[in-house]
Amino acid sequence: SQTIHQWPATLVQPVGSPLSLECTVEGTSNPNLYWYRQAAGRGLQLLFYSVGIGQISSEVPQNLSASRPQDRQFILSSKKLLLSDSGFYLCAWEDSTGKNTEAFFGQGTRLTVV
Amino acid sequence: RKEVEQDPGPFNVPEGATVAFNCTYSNSASQSFFWYRQDCRKEPKLLMSVYSSGNEDGRFTAQLNRASQYISLLIRDSKLSDSATYLCVVTPSGGYNKLIFGAGTRLAVHP
Repeated sequence: SQTIHQWPATLVQPVGSPLSLECTVEGTSNPNLYWYRQAAGRGLQLLFYSVGIGQISSEVPQNLSASRPQDRQFILSSKKLLLSDSGFYLCAWEDSTGKNTEAFFGQGTRLTVV
Repeated sequence: RKEVEQDPGPFNVPEGATVAFNCTYSNSASQSFFWYRQDCRKEPKLLMSVYSSGNEDGRFTAQLNRASQYISLLIRDSKLSDSATYLCVVTPSGGYNKLIFGAGTRLAVHP
């Protein structure tokens, strides 16, 4: 069966520090991968999506970046965090064959920038 | 205008009540529609897909009106465990399912 792992679960980082959040998927090949952010009391905002290794599309301009160095690995990074980067970060995957349109989410990383 | 709009609520209802959530979307070419459920401080999980003909899963009924660009979710006989935020989700036309989320409607079921 397929599983998605996201870590760490919680993170407190000072302003100006770097960030690296990792997400890995098991049990499937060539998934579509997504990074979302949810600010407190708000909906999910799509940050990045990827349909293959090295293929990253950005939805919003910001100081975050994403990379997909391997088929089932998706990394969210920042060189210098801002206070406004605080939020709940969620990685998700879906089957790229179109046979199953459900998206599965990792358990999320709750980031607080102080 | 937001791509997907929902009434944020909260909807406070007693156990056993029937409650309905509405959602509108702006892109008339949208292809797929879903309702996700998100418990407090947890990740969203798929509740049900929404089909053009309408579909039902136990106490939950979803409806789609493409002409009005409107989606609904009806919950009958509400349970305490139904308390959560319900997210309306739309995917635009295209080769992959880029999920666009509404901000969610919060439901609180009380005894």
